[in-house]
Amino acid sequence: NAGVTQTPKFRILKIGQSMTLQCTQDMNHNYMYWYRQDPGMGLKLIYYSVGAGITDKGEVPNGYNVSRSTTEDFPLRLELAAPSQTSVYFCASRMDRQTSNQPQHFGDGTRLSIL
Amino acid sequence: AQSVTQPDIHITVSEGASLELRCNYSYGATPYLFWYVQSPGQGLQLLLKYFSGDTLVQGIKGFEAEFKRSQSSFNLRKPSVHWSDAAEYFCAVAGANNLFFGTGTRLTVIP
Repeated sequence: NAGVTQTPKFRILKIGQSMTLQCTQDMNHNYMYWYRQDPGMGLKLIYYSVGAGITDKGEVPNGYNVSRSTTEDFPLRLELAAPSQTSVYFCASRMDRQTSNQPQHFGDGTRLSIL
Repeated sequence: AQSVTQPDIHITVSEGASLELRCNYSYGATPYLFWYVQSPGQGLQLLLKYFSGDTLVQGIKGFEAEFKRSQSSFNLRKPSVHWSDAAEYFCAVAGANNLFFGTGTRLTVIP
């Protein structure tokens, strides 16, 4: 039972480079989320998806893009990496809306440094 | 708008001592509240949740939390802390489509 799997675990990018953070879940969850975690700031929502083909912006979407072509996968793309995007990124999923009696499952995170 | 405040950035307790981590929320209606724990290098693990009913909720690892509407609080407690409880703890309130997290409280446990 893998749950939510994120790859890579660590990555260093140069300013202006692009990359895709991968997230996959094997629980057939409808809802998926991308958060970033910065020291002393808690987690901020970047994008979320309520199902395949449907995505929406969260609190801090600028500089990121997402897609949801399948239920399992929810990749996060950085097109032009900037130092402000240095952070730890977490993917999460849940079966239904946040207000239902379902826990949110988190991946182990991707630590991204942009130099 | 929903928000969560965790006023304690860092707490240090001795092993075996009791623990209380504070959480205050802002939400217009009945909130759905969560406590998560994050060990170093790991993702967040759900400790417990409150949706309705009994205001004292039990979670995993011996944790409990009490919902107090009059104080807009959802404090996390444990009667006797173990060294393995050292981690960062996040309180969260559910919005329409996502969770709003507090800034976290780092717990250090002294042997």
